[in-house]
Amino acid sequence: DTAVSQTPKYLVTQMGNDKSIKCEQNLGHDTMYWYKQDSKKFLKIMFSYNNKELIINETVPNRFSPKSPDKAHLNLHINSLELGDSAVYFCASSPSWGEQFFGPGTRLTVL
Amino acid sequence: GIQVEQSPPDLILQEGANSTLRCNFSDSVNNLQWFHQNPWGQLINLFYIPSGTKQNGRLSATTVATERYSLLYISSSQTTDSGVYFCAVESGGSNYKLTFGKGTLLTVNP
Repeated sequence: DTAVSQTPKYLVTQMGNDKSIKCEQNLGHDTMYWYKQDSKKFLKIMFSYNNKELIINETVPNRFSPKSPDKAHLNLHINSLELGDSAVYFCASSPSWGEQFFGPGTRLTVL
Repeated sequence: GIQVEQSPPDLILQEGANSTLRCNFSDSVNNLQWFHQNPWGQLINLFYIPSGTKQNGRLSATTVATERYSLLYISSSQTTDSGVYFCAVESGGSNYKLTFGKGTLLTVNP
C-alpha cells in the first residue's frame, strides 16, 4: 500500500557508470518530482512533470534525464556518474495544487 | 526566488519539554508544508498549512501568511520526535516546486 515507492533504496556504483532510479505512485496524482538531498541535508528540486510533461528543469546537468512513461511513473537516468552525484534522491507526487508526498529516498554512492 | 529561513538550526530538549520551531519566508505562498525527517531518512508529512492553524496530537502548526511566517509547536516531546524538521513553501508561478529551508535538527534526550 506504499503511496510513493522508489527502487532501489541503495545504489553503489563506480564513477563513469550509467544508472537509473525508478519511482511509482499509486495516489492518482498528476504531478511528480525529483528532489536531491546533499550531504548537508539540503533538499532541492531537480525536475517536475505534470501529466507526463516536463514543467521544471532546475539547471541540472544534462547527464540527468527524467522520463515519465505515464502519470504514475517518473524515472531518473544518470549518465557518466561523478563523485559529486553522491546524494539521496527523493521522488514525490502531488495533485496539481496541493500537498506533496515523498518516497523513501534512494541513497546513491559514487566511488 | 523565494527564501526560506528556519530557526533555530539546532535544538536539544529533555523528554517532556515543549518547543517552537519557526519558518520565515520572503514572498507570498500557495503551499506550506512541515516535514519530519526521521533518523532513517524518511520524510514524513506533518502539516499542509498555507494559512491558519492545525493540530495533530502533540503537534500543532500556525501559518500567518500576511506576515510570512509559520510556527511548529511540539508539546511533551518524546525521543521519537528526534530528527530534522523542514519547512517547505511553494510560491506563485513556481510550477508547484517546493523550496525547502535548511531545517531544524531536534534532539530529544531521555
